[in-house]
Amino acid sequence: DGGITQSPKYLFRKEGQNVTLSCEQNLNHDAMYWYRQDPGQGLRLIYYSQIVNDFQKGDIAEGYSVSREKKESFPLTVTSAQKNPTAFYLCASRDSAQPQHFGDGTRLSIL
Amino acid sequence: GEDVEQSLFLSVREGDSSVINCTYTDSSSTYLYWYKQEPGAGLQLLTYIFSNMDMKQDQRLTVLLNKKDKHLSLRIADTQTGDSAIYFCAETLRSGGYQKVTFGTGTKLQVIP
Repeated sequence: DGGITQSPKYLFRKEGQNVTLSCEQNLNHDAMYWYRQDPGQGLRLIYYSQIVNDFQKGDIAEGYSVSREKKESFPLTVTSAQKNPTAFYLCASRDSAQPQHFGDGTRLSIL
Repeated sequence: GEDVEQSLFLSVREGDSSVINCTYTDSSSTYLYWYKQEPGAGLQLLTYIFSNMDMKQDQRLTVLLNKKDKHLSLRIADTQTGDSAIYFCAETLRSGGYQKVTFGTGTKLQVIP
């Protein structure tokens, strides 16, 4: 079945550590997105990529980095510069003018 | 500019209809979506409506769009306990060759048995 796979489901970060969240899709979608979700808030866009080897900052990119070396993969690194990383992270992909499809999310917590 | 607003909470009795409302500010929106999020899960697309439509019905779901008032609603008929979730509306608009999606804050629907 086609879909978006995020891993791990839960992730813990120590002080000063970088962590990477995985997002893989087999839908052959060109565009991929990373969102952050905090309790009681909507989704805020971190980064997006419309094609391979290209990505753009969203509304809250500081403290995060991404890469898009393959069409099916869009990993997100939460760096030590992100001082408040505890949140639910959602990856999405989209084809042309169609709605975004979402993965099941990764919950990141601080140790 | 773009801003999407929803009430935070709605409580209904099982079997009643639920109406979740959403207002947006950008009149150039092309598509408007409704997503459902269950606890600890991602967002599941429920339905969407093109900006040139007034209404769309899909089984128990009815979407109404009032472009003049920039108001979108989702009606769930015969609400069931399995409908308990957070519902997000979202608008899509073109921004410099890129389709930007703006999400509302979400409405938590509680269905009382």
